[in-house]
Amino acid sequence: GQNIDQPTEMTATEGAIVQINCTYQTSGFNGLFWYQQHAGEAPTFLSYNVLDGLEEKGRFSSFLSRSKGYSYLLLKELQMKDSASYLCAVIDSNYQLIWGAGTKLIIKP
Amino acid sequence: TAGITQAPTSQILAAGRSMTLRCTQDMRHNAMYWYRQDLGLGLRLIHYSNTAGTTGKGEVPDGYSVSRANTDDFPLTLASAVPSQTSVYFCASSDSGTGEGNEQFFGPGTRLTVL
Repeated sequence: GQNIDQPTEMTATEGAIVQINCTYQTSGFNGLFWYQQHAGEAPTFLSYNVLDGLEEKGRFSSFLSRSKGYSYLLLKELQMKDSASYLCAVIDSNYQLIWGAGTKLIIKP
Repeated sequence: TAGITQAPTSQILAAGRSMTLRCTQDMRHNAMYWYRQDLGLGLRLIHYSNTAGTTGKGEVPDGYSVSRANTDDFPLTLASAVPSQTSVYFCASSDSGTGEGNEQFFGPGTRLTVL
């Protein structure tokens, strides 16, 4: 079966750095997305990785290792507005998007 | 630009009744998707459409049907609702199919409760 694992919940302090991990076992791999979803709202796109390495976009960075079936989202200089769920999603060999259950990130002052 | 809209925002429906959830996008995207999101589970694809006139089944299609008569609209119909269809439903669109790595844009969601 296909599986995407993310921690259910994480807590971090305002101004700090947090890393949210995602591991996947899917039938093939054609890319990986990270989305942000605030409570009661729709998911919004953060990043896309298809090659190994780090993609940096402002305070957010996303890393991919295809050989390890592993990605992480790194959030720097955390702000209260970063409190949200972060969803990892993988494109499988059939070009279907497989979603993880998401990681709820709680930011404390 | 409105982007992608859904209606209604929320609905309480009696079991056995039918209902159509509406989704409209104004971005001229070719691909559209319907997901359901349940607590503790990832988004699950119900149906999708890669282009107007074509539709396909996702991971959890049973009990749902869709149509894609034009580029902008992608309604989702529950023919005879059951309590297990209580969920938050998201419609999404992308410029083309998933394979190109195109991001999906999501509507605000419809919260459906089936009693």
